[in-house]
Amino acid sequence: AQSVTQPDIHITVSEGASLELRCNYSYGATPYLFWYVQSPGQGLQLLLKYFSGDTLVQGIKGFEAEFKRSQSSFNLRKPSVHWSDAAEYFCAVGAANSGYALNFGKGTSLLVTP
Amino acid sequence: GAVVSQHPSRVICKSGTSVKIECRSLDFQATTMFWYRQFPKQSLMLMATSNEGSKATYEQGVEKDKFLINHASLTLSTLTVTSAHPEDSSFYICSARDPQGRVSEQYFGPGTRLTVT
Repeated sequence: AQSVTQPDIHITVSEGASLELRCNYSYGATPYLFWYVQSPGQGLQLLLKYFSGDTLVQGIKGFEAEFKRSQSSFNLRKPSVHWSDAAEYFCAVGAANSGYALNFGKGTSLLVTP
Repeated sequence: GAVVSQHPSRVICKSGTSVKIECRSLDFQATTMFWYRQFPKQSLMLMATSNEGSKATYEQGVEKDKFLINHASLTLSTLTVTSAHPEDSSFYICSARDPQGRVSEQYFGPGTRLTVT
């Protein structure tokens, strides 16, 4: 069965520290991978996406993610976190054999401390 | 980039009434639109896939007679929650797939928050 796992429900980091949010997937077909961010009461904002090619993807707001096929992972990273990065982060996976509908992970809530 | 709008952004209705939510692709034609639901503090769950001119495909556990989806044009899909009950209170988000774009490119609307009293 297709699944997306975000192992960390909550993560707390200090402002200025580095960040890594984990995402693992289990898909039979070639996956298309996304990271979204959602602030409370708001819609989704796309941070970055991976379809093919270079496995290190740069996104907005200084985020990057690396696709590792051997580990079935697509972890999100940021070298220096800002207080405004506090939000909910969702990893999502789609595939052609599911009509490109997205399967979302349960999300990771990021808290940034001073 | 492509823009998807939803209307209304918030709606409060009484139990037993019906509510219609519109999802529009503003600058592209979307052959496929998706409807997702997000309960408080939870992730997004796919409800249904809507293809223009054909019946929607519903995910397991989603009542198709309760959540009516119409995709009558290439720029508009509607979700009607019929006989709404408090447990239908949720954040409903649509997305639209641009067939001219990258193979899996889809764009999300801002969401509609439904509260059933």
